[in-house]
Amino acid sequence: NAGVTQTPKFRVLKTGQSMTLLCAQDMNHEYMYWYRQDPGMGLRLIHYSVGEGTTAKGEVPDGYNVSRLKKQNFLLGLESAAPSQTSVYFCASSRTRGDTGELFFGEGSRLTVL
Amino acid sequence: AQSVSQHNHHVILSEAASLELGCNYSYGGTVNLFWYVQYPGQHLQLLLKYFSGDPLVKGIKGFEAEFIKSKFSFNLRKPSVQWSDTAEYFCAVRQGSQGNLIFGKGTKLSVKP
Repeated sequence: NAGVTQTPKFRVLKTGQSMTLLCAQDMNHEYMYWYRQDPGMGLRLIHYSVGEGTTAKGEVPDGYNVSRLKKQNFLLGLESAAPSQTSVYFCASSRTRGDTGELFFGEGSRLTVL
Repeated sequence: AQSVSQHNHHVILSEAASLELGCNYSYGGTVNLFWYVQYPGQHLQLLLKYFSGDPLVKGIKGFEAEFIKSKFSFNLRKPSVQWSDTAEYFCAVRQGSQGNLIFGKGTKLSVKP
């Protein structure tokens, strides 16, 4: 059982380049999330989705776009990367938001923007 | 806006020492509370959670946490730490039953063998 899988795991971009991070979950979860983790800042929510075809902004959405065309996939896009977007990105999913509310995390994607 | 404060940025302990990591949150209503752990190079995993009932919650690997509503706190404890507990620990709070999780900035725990 793979759980939450993120690709790629590492990427180096130049300022202004674009890229997409893919998150896939095989647990049939309704909710999916993208967080960024920066030293001393903890995890901050970028965007989230409460179901297929829906997306919503989190705490730090600027500079990112997301899509949830299929229930199992949640894509995070950077249209024009900036050095401030150098971070480790974590995708997470949960069955519901309430109930047990446990988030299952992927292993992270380390992005460096030069 | 809701905030979560973790008091210690980095804690260094020797094996067998007792551990207490502080977590305070700012929301006064109903909350769901969580502690997650991130071992070096790995993703976050749930240690324990509190939704309601007994305010003393037991989690995996001998960890426990106590919810003190009057103090807006959810401190994590372990009587005797091991080298393998070296990790970063994150407190997280959900406002009500349908809000998103808000994470604290994390506390790095280093356990010396």
